[in-house]
Amino acid sequence: KAGVTQTPRYLIKTRGQQVTLSCSPISGHRSVSWYQQTPGQGLQFLFEYFSETQRNKGNFPGRFSGRQFSNSRSEMNVSTLELGDSALYLCASSVGGSLGEQYFGPGTRLTVT
Amino acid sequence: SQQGEEDPQALSIQEGENATMNCSYKTSINNLQWYRQNSGRGLVHLILIRSNEREKHSGRLRVTLDTSKKSSSLLITASRAADTASYFCATDESDGGSNYKLTFGKGTLLTVNP
Repeated sequence: KAGVTQTPRYLIKTRGQQVTLSCSPISGHRSVSWYQQTPGQGLQFLFEYFSETQRNKGNFPGRFSGRQFSNSRSEMNVSTLELGDSALYLCASSVGGSLGEQYFGPGTRLTVT
Repeated sequence: SQQGEEDPQALSIQEGENATMNCSYKTSINNLQWYRQNSGRGLVHLILIRSNEREKHSGRLRVTLDTSKKSSSLLITASRAADTASYFCATDESDGGSNYKLTFGKGTLLTVNP
């Protein structure tokens, strides 16, 4: 079974721009969660989508949004990028939800200049 | 906020030795998970232990959970150079309502020297 894939793997954006990241979960997994990883804050939960509905969310500003499509693929959007948004963004999929065993993708490394 | 915190922050051992990492958390949990992250394989799930379990094994891994002390430990026996990675514990955290999230600690960096 193919693992979780994320595109693009690397991205460089300028402050003020917006960015869209994509995640394809493992086949059959209906839950997709997004995380931000930085050296200072570690791994932080952004939100979870299950059957196209946001089910749980973390403590991030409204500039961070997401959606899930009927095939369970998910996108995450960050608008009005700030320097502090530079991070590794990880997507994880699971069978039952964001609190169970998570299968992580390789991540998208976003650099904001 | 960090629900789980690992200790020590860094650990360096020789191949063949055992490695023990600890995790403490603040609020009651339904389950606790351990993950490993290295540059080669990314973030990988190792083991999940439920709040009503005290010990769980998987290969060379042994996890214990003490809910009265709000702590867990991960033991890796007969370590190998390939075990070099950061190890994270993760717990479910509620905002007091119906919103839950998986909260990761800052991790323990384990280095296994050949």
